[in-house]
Amino acid sequence: GAVVSQHPSRVICKSGTSVKIECRSLDFQATTMFWYRQFPKKSLMLMATSNEGSKATYEQGVEKDKFLINHASLTLSTLTVTSAHPEDSSFYICSARVRAPRETQYFGPGTRLLVL
Amino acid sequence: GQNIDQPTEMTATEGAIVQINCTYQTSGFNGLFWYQQHAGEAPTFLSYNVLDGLEEKGRFSSFLSRSKGYSYLLLKELQMKDSASYLCAVRHSGAGSYQLTFGKGTKLSVIP
Repeated sequence: GAVVSQHPSRVICKSGTSVKIECRSLDFQATTMFWYRQFPKKSLMLMATSNEGSKATYEQGVEKDKFLINHASLTLSTLTVTSAHPEDSSFYICSARVRAPRETQYFGPGTRLLVL
Repeated sequence: GQNIDQPTEMTATEGAIVQINCTYQTSGFNGLFWYQQHAGEAPTFLSYNVLDGLEEKGRFSSFLSRSKGYSYLLLKELQMKDSASYLCAVRHSGAGSYQLTFGKGTKLSVIP
């Protein structure tokens, strides 16, 4: 099956710093990638839809200036958490949309962010 | 908006069969997914239904009734490793693209 990687898998940073998370589709091209956030024992929450070559579409309540998304190529999307605060600590998961042979999403392994 | 309901927790015995239900209310429905998520890990894809009926894949089967807004995931011959959260997700159209909205997940505990 299709493989999606995320880097880093775990990051600890100080409050006020910025953190970049990479999401790569390793053996296929993905024009659309999604970024999710999951708090402990909660459901996945869609943050934004990342489309290659165009601006990301953010969900209501997600600050686009705080969570910068760049989808510069068909295999890479990045999420940058700017001026991170402790409340941004969460599990961030990306997924890549696949249309053939059947529509689905393949998820990356996730990035655990801890802001001190 | 989208509304997806599934039980919070279930417990079943090793070797048994368990059915996890999911009901949904959505606009622009375009398919329903089931994912398995072990604690601390990303979800993994289990099944996809877009037409009514039963889809069988090994020990796992998924059923969809679009008119009732209802789906279930059936797990047979339960194994201890099946202990995980099972997420029901509905794909719907919006803003010119498709998106997934997830239910809160059903935590399944398989006991000996």
